[in-house]
Amino acid sequence: GENVEQHPSTLSVQEGDSAVIKCTYSDSASNYFPWYKQELGKRPQLIIDIRSNVGEKKDQRIAVTLNKTAKHFSLHITETQPEDSAVYFCAASKRNQAGTALIFGKGTTLSVSS
Amino acid sequence: GAVVSQHPSRVICKSGTSVKIECRSLDFQATTMFWYRQFPKQSLMLMATSNEGSKATYEQGVEKDKFLINHASLTLSTLTVTSAHPEDSSFYICSARASMSYTFGSGTRLTVV
Repeated sequence: GENVEQHPSTLSVQEGDSAVIKCTYSDSASNYFPWYKQELGKRPQLIIDIRSNVGEKKDQRIAVTLNKTAKHFSLHITETQPEDSAVYFCAASKRNQAGTALIFGKGTTLSVSS
Repeated sequence: GAVVSQHPSRVICKSGTSVKIECRSLDFQATTMFWYRQFPKQSLMLMATSNEGSKATYEQGVEKDKFLINHASLTLSTLTVTSAHPEDSSFYICSARASMSYTFGSGTRLTVV
């Protein structure tokens, strides 16, 4: 089945710096890769996603890159702000007999200090 | 946008009792609902996938007799934790696929005492 590895588990940056979180996946059939931000006790919030037919996608300060050959994708946050502090999860789609679910990485706790 | 309503948001129950969690898709038909469990400071772990009108597909290691999933309609899926024990205390969250993305419920914090 699909296995998603995420690094680093914690990341501390100064306000204004960039932050990069990396994920690898194992199932070459995966074709959808979303990134979520989760605050304590809340539901995950989609911040950006990418599909396997695209190599890069950008939305203001957030960008995601995908390397299908190497089976890895990365989240890039530029000009970080204290409100970016949260837990970030990557995910990859996994098809089973019942449907296409998302398999999550273990998460990265991002801390942005001012 | 697509909204999934999940209830209750918090529940405390005694060990040995059962708890039912409901997820409703409010403005779309959720043919498939996914159930996840999240322990403190850990990731979301897929428990099962349910399709309307059929039996749920459980992930390896998840006891289907303990975590009963019912998906009787296109807008309602329920997860019942039977004979709950303290180790079942966790954050349970549902997700439905709407169009090209996934929508999550607000989660249920279950505490078994």
